[in-house]
Amino acid sequence: DADVTQTPRNRITKTGKRIMLECSQTKGHDRMYWYRQDPGLGLRLIYYSFDVKDINKGEISDGYSVSRQAQAKFSLSLESAIPNQTALYFCATSRTRGSQYFGPGTRLTVL
Amino acid sequence: GENVEQHPSTLSVQEGDSAVIKCTYSDSASNYFPWYKQELGKRPQLIIDIRSNVGEKKDQRIAVTLNKTAKHFSLHITETQPEDSAVYFCAGGTTSYDKVIFGPGTSLSVIP
Repeated sequence: DADVTQTPRNRITKTGKRIMLECSQTKGHDRMYWYRQDPGLGLRLIYYSFDVKDINKGEISDGYSVSRQAQAKFSLSLESAIPNQTALYFCATSRTRGSQYFGPGTRLTVL
Repeated sequence: GENVEQHPSTLSVQEGDSAVIKCTYSDSASNYFPWYKQELGKRPQLIIDIRSNVGEKKDQRIAVTLNKTAKHFSLHITETQPEDSAVYFCAGGTTSYDKVIFGPGTSLSVIP
């Protein structure tokens, strides 16, 4: 089945380390998104991309960067992780003017 | 930019009763309002959405209403069942950009 996958699913890292979260999709969607989820704050948009050559900042992009390596791949990087970046991270995809489909999430803990 | 508020933050209902979750938005240009359900430990999944050219949409036990003048929209779940227990997120945005802003979520508990 066409799906959205994320790796790793869980990651524990230390303050100051660089970390990359990866997202792949087989849905054939053009648009991809990265969100973080914190209790009581809902889903906040970090970055989004409408095609391979398009990258846009979301609500909370500071401390994060992204790379759209191909239509099916969108990676999120934390250049120097800090404890308040501990959260659940979701990748999502959509067709043009379509609803978003979410990946299973990556639980990141920064010690 | 868009700001979406959601109430209540937690809601408990008896099985069989109805549940209502309300959201407000700030950007009058928003014309697309999806609702997502997130069960414990799982990913958010779209359950219903409404666009600004309609005031109400139904899908079995779920309905959404939209009041563009007042900038608010609501989710109604009738005949609630234990499997309706989850966190529900409303969101608002524009279909031209597919970028939506999410509300903080409502944790719904259906008590058997």
